[in-house]
Amino acid sequence: GQNIDQPTEMTATEGAIVQINCTYQTSGFNGLFWYQQHAGEAPTFLSYNVLDGLEEKGRFSSFLSRSKGYSYLLLKELQMKDSASYLCALNTGGFKTIFGAGTRLFVKA
Amino acid sequence: SAVISQKPSRDICQRGTSLTIQCQVDSQVTMMFWYRQQPGQSLTLIATANQGSEATYESGFVIDKFPISRPNLTFSTLTVSNMSPEDSSIYLCSAQTQKRLSYNEQFFGPGTRLTVL
Repeated sequence: GQNIDQPTEMTATEGAIVQINCTYQTSGFNGLFWYQQHAGEAPTFLSYNVLDGLEEKGRFSSFLSRSKGYSYLLLKELQMKDSASYLCALNTGGFKTIFGAGTRLFVKA
Repeated sequence: SAVISQKPSRDICQRGTSLTIQCQVDSQVTMMFWYRQQPGQSLTLIATANQGSEATYESGFVIDKFPISRPNLTFSTLTVSNMSPEDSSIYLCSAQTQKRLSYNEQFFGPGTRLTVL
């Protein structure tokens, strides 16, 4: 099976940078997703990492290290609208995606 | 990106009845999935909807309770059968479009909010 760990909650200040970590244990996976979910809405796709390294997409970047079982999502120039839950998920055999519990991010002024 | 619609968006049902949720994708996709999300919790995978064959269920979910159809590459249904209040949840349809081994995208429908009285 898979095990995915993320911090439950984080708080950061508008304009700052925040890093949300995700550690996992799995026998194998195709890639790792990050999603954003605002309360009452469906998850929104942010990134997909297959290879080790950093993938940058605007204010959001995602990093993967397969050897360390570790990923992070980096959010720069935080805005109030970035307050949401951020979900780390593994795309596993059969291409099914298994989600972590998510990290609730609060951005304060 | 794929755009996914679901019907109904919400429903309130009586115990013992069944509800069928429809999911329509605006393009052909490789994989379709059904998830459940309890309030304040993360997503739990119910099953993979396989085109033209029986769905593949995750541990704790069975076909008699959650029958799934996928007659083609863009449409799927999930039925919640013989409902009880414990089935109250948000049910989400999801589609995956793997363009190449190094890149994958998975999108979600807006969800169906089900309340069972």
